[in-house]
Amino acid sequence: DTGVSQDPRHKITKRGQNVTFRCDPISEHNRLYWYRQTLGQGPEFLTYFQNEAQLEKSRLLSDRFSAERPKGSFSTLEIQRTEQGDSAMYLCASTREGFNEQFFGPGTRLTVL
Amino acid sequence: AQSVSQHNHHVILSEAASLELGCNYSYGGTVNLFWYVQYPGQHLQLLLKYFSGDPLVKGIKGFEAEFIKSKFSFNLRKPSVQWSDTAEYFCAVSYSGNTGKLIFGQGTTLQVKP
Repeated sequence: DTGVSQDPRHKITKRGQNVTFRCDPISEHNRLYWYRQTLGQGPEFLTYFQNEAQLEKSRLLSDRFSAERPKGSFSTLEIQRTEQGDSAMYLCASTREGFNEQFFGPGTRLTVL
Repeated sequence: AQSVSQHNHHVILSEAASLELGCNYSYGGTVNLFWYVQYPGQHLQLLLKYFSGDPLVKGIKGFEAEFIKSKFSFNLRKPSVQWSDTAEYFCAVSYSGNTGKLIFGQGTTLQVKP
């Protein structure tokens, strides 16, 4: 069990640029979640995949955000035309159906200048 | 709206002091309850969880939590804290019928003085 991995760990970008983050869940975990955490707050749910299907999206996820999980394994989260308010830690978590406990990755810290 | 509230944002204790962190959640039917911990520089780790059965659950490192259904609470306790317990603690809830997504409280920063 190698744990959930995320890449990159840190990303600094200029406002208006596009960024993409990757999450590799624990193998055989078919459920994958993305969360966003800002300073002094708990993580907030963004979106959920069961296998390759995106089954829920938060209202926090504006149309500048898109997520994919093309083969039901790794997932990507893309932010287009980044804004300073997008600066946050983006967390990925995975679990398998019926198990409930989520395992979190180390996160990608995004800074938008 | 489904929400989780943690009462204490920042707690400072001396070693060997007892700890209790409050957590309340909004009503929404059957719940699964979690406490996660984030040590400095590390990622979120599960401390303990409640799904059903005995409302007093024990987790790692001597932590325990009690689910009180009538109060919608899931408070975290430890009889004697150590310096190594310095971390941020998050209460989280998932509601039955949802996708398993977690709703987190805002977190409590615990600082233990040696």
